[in-house]
Amino acid sequence: DAGITQSPRHKVTETGTPVTLRCHQTENHRYMYWYRQDPGHGLRLIHYSYGVKDTDKGEVSDGYSVSRSKTEDFLLTLESATSSQTSVYFCAISDPGSGSSGNTIYFGEGSWLTVV
Amino acid sequence: QKEVEQNSGPLSVPEGAIASLNCTYSDRGSQSFFWYRQYSGKSPELIMSIYSNGDKEDGRFTAQLNKASQYVSLLIRDSQPSDSATYLCAAFKAAGNKLTFGGGTRVLVKP
Repeated sequence: DAGITQSPRHKVTETGTPVTLRCHQTENHRYMYWYRQDPGHGLRLIHYSYGVKDTDKGEVSDGYSVSRSKTEDFLLTLESATSSQTSVYFCAISDPGSGSSGNTIYFGEGSWLTVV
Repeated sequence: QKEVEQNSGPLSVPEGAIASLNCTYSDRGSQSFFWYRQYSGKSPELIMSIYSNGDKEDGRFTAQLNKASQYVSLLIRDSQPSDSATYLCAAFKAAGNKLTFGGGTRVLVKP
């Protein structure tokens, strides 16, 4: 158990409404990530954070924003949800790797979002 | 071309046989590689990682890496019905401490 909690776990929302997903971790990990997973596309990185108030874009960041005001919380916001954002969203955490070995990324349980 | 590519499957394997999963990557800057298992409706869980050329064994799993050929594989020995899942290959780059995932290979182990 990597101590990651995502909320809400399931949500149905209407097109054009704002939506915020929350990721909470209890073990003081430096890196936090938001991925989305869709059939045929696998897991794709939306945004990630490498410290409080330090964030950067991933490969599919359009339409999403993030914030990290505390080490333990990483929020993903869809400012105006669209049907193309219907997906499963996974939060993940890790710490800086040592040398070339990298460091393991652990995933939360996922948030299922449906935009109608 | 995707950075990490996998055959989507399904790979059908008789119980007790060896399942062989393949993964290729395009970025030679990738430093290490991870295999995750994902059951339907669940989150990915780590099986093992590898960053040196050659084989690495962990229980019934063996990961193989060939950086010259940009190729990673996972062998599952003595496959069990509980191994039926989607297996995700991922490449790690130190910049951003990020993993890039392939689309996954679905494995079906038939009793």
